[in-house]
Amino acid sequence: GNSVTQMEGPVTLSEEAFLTINCTYTATGYPSLFWYVQYPGEGLQLLLKATKADDKGSNKGFEATYRKETTSFHLEKGSVQVSDSAVYFCALIKPGAGSYQLTFGKGTKLSVIP
Amino acid sequence: DGGITQSPKYLFRKEGQNVTLSCEQNLNHDAMYWYRQDPGQGLRLIYYSQIVNDFQKGDIAEGYSVSREKKESFPLTVTSAQKNPTAFYLCASSIVDGYTFGSGTRLTVV
Repeated sequence: GNSVTQMEGPVTLSEEAFLTINCTYTATGYPSLFWYVQYPGEGLQLLLKATKADDKGSNKGFEATYRKETTSFHLEKGSVQVSDSAVYFCALIKPGAGSYQLTFGKGTKLSVIP
Repeated sequence: DGGITQSPKYLFRKEGQNVTLSCEQNLNHDAMYWYRQDPGQGLRLIYYSQIVNDFQKGDIAEGYSVSREKKESFPLTVTSAQKNPTAFYLCASSIVDGYTFGSGTRLTVV
């Protein structure tokens, strides 16, 4: 079946540090890939997505590139801010039979300290 | 503005009681979902519905029940058969691969 594996947290960084959160997936064919962010006490918000190999998703300074050869979709940001403190989820959708179900990784908690 | 409303935000339940969590959307989305979130476990799918009057079990449906009588509403009942119900519950709706999530209900068994 489909699965997503992301690096375990928590991750603690100083403000303006470089961020990488690793994500790899297992799925047949060509899934769509997503990063969601969850701020404390809230639901999930879509951060970025990519729907085919070599696509780069980007938003709010975050980027991730769909790498088919390594089945990866690592999240990066060049300079994190305290406001980026949240839990980040990597996810995929493998469409089939009219269904678009999300499969999530376990989440990585990021804390950014001033 | 369109969105998903979950209520209540916090809910306390005594052991042996059933409790119902509300989820309402005004996005005109056909599909709706319930997820359970536990620390370190990510989000696990409880039930989902692709059309009115139809729903399917997800990965952890035991001890839960749902109904989909209206397109806008997808309530989740946590029954007394659910042995460990304390968790954060998230509702979502979608059209194709565009998901919108509610702000969640935190259920605590006391």
